[in-house]
Amino acid sequence: EIVLTQSPGTLSVSPGERATLSCRASQSVSRNLAWYQQKPGQAPRLLIYGASSRATGIPDRFSGSGSGTDFTLTISRLEPEDFAVYYCQQYGDSDTFGQGTKLEIK
Amino acid sequence: EVQLVQSGAEVKKPGESLKISCKGSGYSFATYWIGWVRQMPGKGLEWMGIIFPADSDTRYSPSFQGQVTISVDKSINTAYLQWSSLKASDTAMYYCARHRYFDLWGRGTLVTVSS
Repeated sequence: EIVLTQSPGTLSVSPGERATLSCRASQSVSRNLAWYQQKPGQAPRLLIYGASSRATGIPDRFSGSGSGTDFTLTISRLEPEDFAVYYCQQYGDSDTFGQGTKLEIK
Repeated sequence: EVQLVQSGAEVKKPGESLKISCKGSGYSFATYWIGWVRQMPGKGLEWMGIIFPADSDTRYSPSFQGQVTISVDKSINTAYLQWSSLKASDTAMYYCARHRYFDLWGRGTLVTVSS
């Protein structure tokens, strides 16, 4: 089973600044990687698929990059509504999720 | 409207059986994978398994193989997740979602198992 390790566990950033979240796979997943945002009491929401393609309706301040084993989600200018938990998921081989990164207001 | 509608919250006792559902509408249900995701209280997302409604091809996470059964009735656009004997540790929110990367989610079914 492919293990996804997200870092950091918690990230403290001020509104208007940039946030960079990392997801590392224990073996290559090519570009079969997605990112999700989850707010308390809500279902997750798809942000990015195919490592770098934005899902429908996702603002362009969200961007994804990487391939193989190392991936990054960047939020260029944080809005108040962006503070949430973010998960990566690989869907190439016996799909798995990372453990999540909590993005909190500094 | 494209949506997944999940069945309501359940409260069960250990050892009881349970089947929860996820009904798709507004899209070609048979041609998209449906997956199940567990979220235990205060914890992260866990991928449980997926099913392809057109041919019932089913894949399980090793962590959930033998613990749950995923099934589908494509005639009524509904996928199911079932347990034959619940444990207290099955207490969680269970989400269904569409596709290999999950572009459409249900609102979740809260399952509480307590004596």
